[in-house]
Amino acid sequence: DAGVIQSPRHEVTEMGQEVTLRCKPISGHNSLFWYRQTMMRGLELLIYFNNNVPIDDSGMPEDRFSAKMPNASFSTLKIQPSEPRDSAVYFCASSLRGTGRGYGYTFGSGTRLTVV
Amino acid sequence: DQQVKQNSPSLSVQEGRISILNCDYTNSMFDYFLWYKKYPAEGPTFLISISSIKDKNEDGRFTVFLNKSAKHLSLHIVPSQPGDSAVYFCAASEWTNAGKSTFGDGTTLTVKP
Repeated sequence: DAGVIQSPRHEVTEMGQEVTLRCKPISGHNSLFWYRQTMMRGLELLIYFNNNVPIDDSGMPEDRFSAKMPNASFSTLKIQPSEPRDSAVYFCASSLRGTGRGYGYTFGSGTRLTVV
Repeated sequence: DQQVKQNSPSLSVQEGRISILNCDYTNSMFDYFLWYKKYPAEGPTFLISISSIKDKNEDGRFTVFLNKSAKHLSLHIVPSQPGDSAVYFCAASEWTNAGKSTFGDGTTLTVKP
């Protein structure tokens, strides 16, 4: 298995532009998580899905952020419009529901977003 | 309110010695605790976990200890190796929200040859 695949690895965009981050979870995993890592706030959960359904989006910072999971093998995190304070590393992770607690998540390599 | 705290941003140890990384939590509903390791430009990698019904779990050179009364856990690495140099994250999840883990800020471990 190739693991959790995120694209792009790096994204530089101008303030006000739309940004879309993509994630392909591990086949068979039915929980998917989007985390953001910054120096100020560490690793914070933005949203997670179980069986393609959003369960908890309380970490999504504001309405500019949206996430979708149209099927079991694909998810997107969209920022529109982007702002410089959105600059961070965004991680996608997946797990088998119920096992992530004891067996951990599998993380992708992250997307480093820079908004100028 | 930070529910999972790693108060030491960094730790430096000599190769072959013991590394002890600490983590404190505040939420008594947490029932699983996990440690992840992260290398630069990579995502965190799951290392070891412990259930709240246990006080110790061991996997090779890695042992996690849990003190529920103190709401404290620690990760021991013995012996430490230069390849262990990484950022270590403590995480916790609660049974009422089984899909969600809360992470600490991480401790950067440097193992010197």
